[in-house]
Amino acid sequence: GAVVSQHPSRVICKSGTSVKIECRSLDFQATTMFWYRQFPKQSLMLMATSNEGSKATYEQGVEKDKFLINHASLTLSTLTVTSAHPEDSSFYICSAGDRGFETQYFGPGTRLLVL
Amino acid sequence: AQTVTQSQPEMSVQEAETVTLSCTYDTSESDYYLFWYKQPPSRQMILVIRQEAYKQQNATENRFSVNFQKAAKSFSLKISDSQLGDAAMYFCAYRGPDSNYQLIWGAGTKLIIKP
Repeated sequence: GAVVSQHPSRVICKSGTSVKIECRSLDFQATTMFWYRQFPKQSLMLMATSNEGSKATYEQGVEKDKFLINHASLTLSTLTVTSAHPEDSSFYICSAGDRGFETQYFGPGTRLLVL
Repeated sequence: AQTVTQSQPEMSVQEAETVTLSCTYDTSESDYYLFWYKQPPSRQMILVIRQEAYKQQNATENRFSVNFQKAAKSFSLKISDSQLGDAAMYFCAYRGPDSNYQLIWGAGTKLIIKP
């Protein structure tokens, strides 16, 4: 149980294009989902918290217009990197939590490369 | 503010031996959760073990066990009978009682297993 999928696993795009990353909880209802960014050899940096049916809460320094988050259902959250630039290249990870679990379960991550 | 400190950037252990990874944290809360996550080269974050602060008994999961010292705010992970598949980054994380599942992360410890 507690499986989280993330798609795509890897994406390469041109500068100026937008990229959408999907995060799905496969066997539980995720009332809360998190989006992280991880730089090489570093810990996870929380970007935003999304609650189903409400607006995401962004961490300080994260541009909400740059990183659009939608949590439209209890099993799906999406992160859209708008007008991507090379500095947005990174590893993005989502996680999901269920009130019954008190634990975050992670997707396999998406490696984004912006050329 | 809560903080999590992992003072060992890298540890190595001989296969089949036992290794202990250190983690200390700072909080004024009395009820909270502590986690160890493993991130192998695939970069998938995997939950290793979880400890509720109100439980005095140390959590165990097969070859993985913790030494939870609440007064000292210490939460070390012991890996017994180390296997090559245990090679990974290990992250210690803290979750407060009402933090909407947000995790405070340590910087991570890279574990190397020597065959």
